[in-house]
Amino acid sequence: QKEVEQNSGPLSVPEGAIASLNCTYSDRGSQSFFWYRQYSGKSPELIMFIYSNGDKEDGRFTAQLNKASQYVSLLIRDSQPSDSATYLCAVNSGTGNQFYFGTGTSLTVIP
Amino acid sequence: DAGVIQSPRHEVTEMGQEVTLRCKPISGHDYLFWYRQTMMRGLELLIYFNNNVPIDDSGMPEDRFSAKMPNASFSTLKIQPSEPRDSAVYFCASSLAGLSEQFFGPGTRLTVL
Repeated sequence: QKEVEQNSGPLSVPEGAIASLNCTYSDRGSQSFFWYRQYSGKSPELIMFIYSNGDKEDGRFTAQLNKASQYVSLLIRDSQPSDSATYLCAVNSGTGNQFYFGTGTSLTVIP
Repeated sequence: DAGVIQSPRHEVTEMGQEVTLRCKPISGHDYLFWYRQTMMRGLELLIYFNNNVPIDDSGMPEDRFSAKMPNASFSTLKIQPSEPRDSAVYFCASSLAGLSEQFFGPGTRLTVL
């Protein structure tokens, strides 16, 4: 079992819709969770992080964490074509010494 | 700030040759990370340093890989000898606060023929 799992997609949504990206993790002791965005041919960039159960909102982005179910999600409201990218979920291990990325979900926003 | 700087941006070499990748972290960042990204395996953490000291190298695939950080502003990742399966994009990242908000460099695309 991989430490972090994501649906590779591709996920397609129309412009203006809500895009929902999901991630599950195996280490129940994990404490820190991150979403990175990676445009094709570019490097990953951090867009959200969350440490506590519940929702965290930043502009059009909302991260949701459920530690009991070991999943973290990212919602993108009012999706724009510029949101088309691969979204990587990352988790800091329970020991705090390791960092695992999922393989990413490819999102396409259709104008 | 210029961000994380990596060189070279592209490297093409032949199997058996030595490859050295270079990284300059963001000034003031105490942590430096080396990653490898492939389509099959995604983004993998190879090794990371805190204050120039290697903390965890459990992700280094084998003894052909080595990394050094002689000072706070420079790190190298060396592959000797290189093999075709080492072909990937290698990213360097740095952070102020450990394994949290990491800033990535542009990457080095390595092709081993």
